[in-house]
Amino acid sequence: EVQLVQSGAEVKKPGESLKISCKGSGYSFTSYWIGWVRQMPGKGLEWMGIIYPGDSDTRYSPSFQGQVTISADKSISTAYLQWSSLKASDTAMYYCARQSPYSSSYSDYWGQGTLVTVSS
Amino acid sequence: DIQMTQSPSSVSASVGDRVTITCRASQGISSWLAWYQQKPGKAPKLLIYAASSLQSGVPSRFSGSGSGTDFTLTISSLQPEDFATYYCQQANSFPRFTFGPGTKVDIK
Repeated sequence: EVQLVQSGAEVKKPGESLKISCKGSGYSFTSYWIGWVRQMPGKGLEWMGIIYPGDSDTRYSPSFQGQVTISADKSISTAYLQWSSLKASDTAMYYCARQSPYSSSYSDYWGQGTLVTVSS
Repeated sequence: DIQMTQSPSSVSASVGDRVTITCRASQGISSWLAWYQQKPGKAPKLLIYAASSLQSGVPSRFSGSGSGTDFTLTISSLQPEDFATYYCQQANSFPRFTFGPGTKVDIK
């Protein structure tokens, strides 16, 4: 069974750093792109970026380029999303998603989400 | 970036109703479109990909159509578990994907 399990909720202060994780299982982790999606409170979905764990090829949506870093450790089947200096506006739910074997443009399995709260 | 719009933004419907949601892209995207369902507090779920292909395990009452700039998601007979928010997503410009703003389907 394909599963993506994300790390738990985080409460941070502005300016702090953070790295959240997404562990894949039940499939060949290195063979499928993993994407990250932001959902701010009460709002819609925003595509952040994507990584191919097989060779760590990483692409970012223009809105998120330079704001976050996406990485992966294929030895432990885990993808990461990190911030070097959080802002209150980073408060959101963050989802990871596996891209479909049909096409890497579609997300067929999703993690449960990680809620990040940034508040002083 | 390609912009996506959806209409209506919300719809009230009853069990058994036929519901149609429209999605429009700011430029042609061929059939590179997906539909997702999201229930409160849950992750999105892929329903339709490539504009009209039903994802495995998704009930056949869901269908998608369209190409170019105009797309439609139809729920042929609304069931209680279908009350949710539905998002379209253009998948034409890897990996600069964009989602529509969502359509909330609630109980009349």
